[in-house]
Amino acid sequence: SQQGEEDPQALSIQEGENATMNCSYKTSINNLQWYRQNSGRGLVHLILIRSNEREKHSGRLRVTLDTSKKSSSLLITASRAADTASYFCATVPVSGGYQKVTFGTGTKLQVIP
Amino acid sequence: DGGITQSPKYLFRKEGQNVTLSCEQNLNHDAMYWYRQDPGQGLRLIYYSQIVNDFQKGDIAEGYSVSREKKESFPLTVTSAQKNPTAFYLCASSSGDRVRTEAFFGQGTRLTVV
Repeated sequence: SQQGEEDPQALSIQEGENATMNCSYKTSINNLQWYRQNSGRGLVHLILIRSNEREKHSGRLRVTLDTSKKSSSLLITASRAADTASYFCATVPVSGGYQKVTFGTGTKLQVIP
Repeated sequence: DGGITQSPKYLFRKEGQNVTLSCEQNLNHDAMYWYRQDPGQGLRLIYYSQIVNDFQKGDIAEGYSVSREKKESFPLTVTSAQKNPTAFYLCASSSGDRVRTEAFFGQGTRLTVV
């Protein structure tokens, strides 16, 4: 299986609710990143959390990292219809640069207006 | 506007043809990457280049070729040796800095074999 595995694979919520996605990985990391992909488009970088950080915020996004459990979560608060997209975690290993990044299979989020 | 541009957005290839996907960036990034995305899967690395005139194979390089003659450009050729080329192709770039390792992606090229 891939280094980054997102859970759930798909999530459907009402506008205004919070959305939580999880990512598990297997090897030690330098940092973990979350990306968003609108249907048929490229990926957009959302947030990067380093291995020595436990929590990071950016607007309505909150990311946590638990290196002991090798897992991360992305929380989107007060969701909007425009948040509908697929969300990917990407892990950068300790030893390498971006060429060694591994992407998960993504969580497909649908926010219903 | 700074960014990374892929063209064309849609590409159709006949069996046995080579096709070239364009990727240009004006972010002054040293590193560039090509990924393949299949439905329900994550991104898989095809080739990457950390500096002009140098590139390395990724996880699924067979049937693909690249060049990096200019810092701004990293074209990908899908050759007839690639048996299952229908996919969504994404180009990305990063500064190459080991500290700031986030990447910027183009809008993708959807390649279909007809």
